[in-house]
Amino acid sequence: EDQVTQSPEALRLQEGESSSLNCSYTVSGLRGLFWYRQDPGKGPEFLFTLYSAGEEKEKERLKATLTKKESFLHITAPKPEDSATYLCAVPKAGGTSYGKLTFGQGTILTVHP
Amino acid sequence: DAGVTQSPTHLIKTRGQQVTLRCSPKSGHDTVSWYQQALGQGPQFIFQYYEEEERQRGNFPDRFSGHQFPNYSSELNVNALLLGDSALYLCASSLEGASAEQYFGPGTRLTVT
Repeated sequence: EDQVTQSPEALRLQEGESSSLNCSYTVSGLRGLFWYRQDPGKGPEFLFTLYSAGEEKEKERLKATLTKKESFLHITAPKPEDSATYLCAVPKAGGTSYGKLTFGQGTILTVHP
Repeated sequence: DAGVTQSPTHLIKTRGQQVTLRCSPKSGHDTVSWYQQALGQGPQFIFQYYEEEERQRGNFPDRFSGHQFPNYSSELNVNALLLGDSALYLCASSLEGASAEQYFGPGTRLTVT
């Protein structure tokens, strides 16, 4: 069964202090890896899709990278508005259609001014 | 471009009661998935609907059922509510065969007392 593990569970940064979040996965036949941002009490907001090892995607202060076993979300010079829970997920392997997403438990990021 | 919408926003029910949650997918999407998210956890897949049929199901009891209408909107029904059903219920939509990306609605917060 697909498994996704995120670390750390919580991360506190000072504004401008760069860091990385980790997402380790165990799947049979990776069909993509997604990163989402979730604010308290709201639905996850789609950030990135990565499909193959070595791929990188960037959006403002965020950069996502993918290897064969894990993905990293790098946050450069974060601001307080980057505070949120960051989730990674993988879709169900096999078949021609995409089904369930298996999520990690998330990393709660807090950026202090 | 209308995103995923869900109703109601919040709901309070008593143990043993039944509840219906509603979801309208993002414009152009034809597939709807439902997730349950407990506090501090990642979303857990309940089931997915495509062409008005349940295509995949997660590890949830038969008390959880759903429906998809010809306009692609969907309902989630939960019977015989338990205290443990208290959670944020999320609807996600996607386009079959296009990509695995799922876009989430704001969620319905269900509290069972």
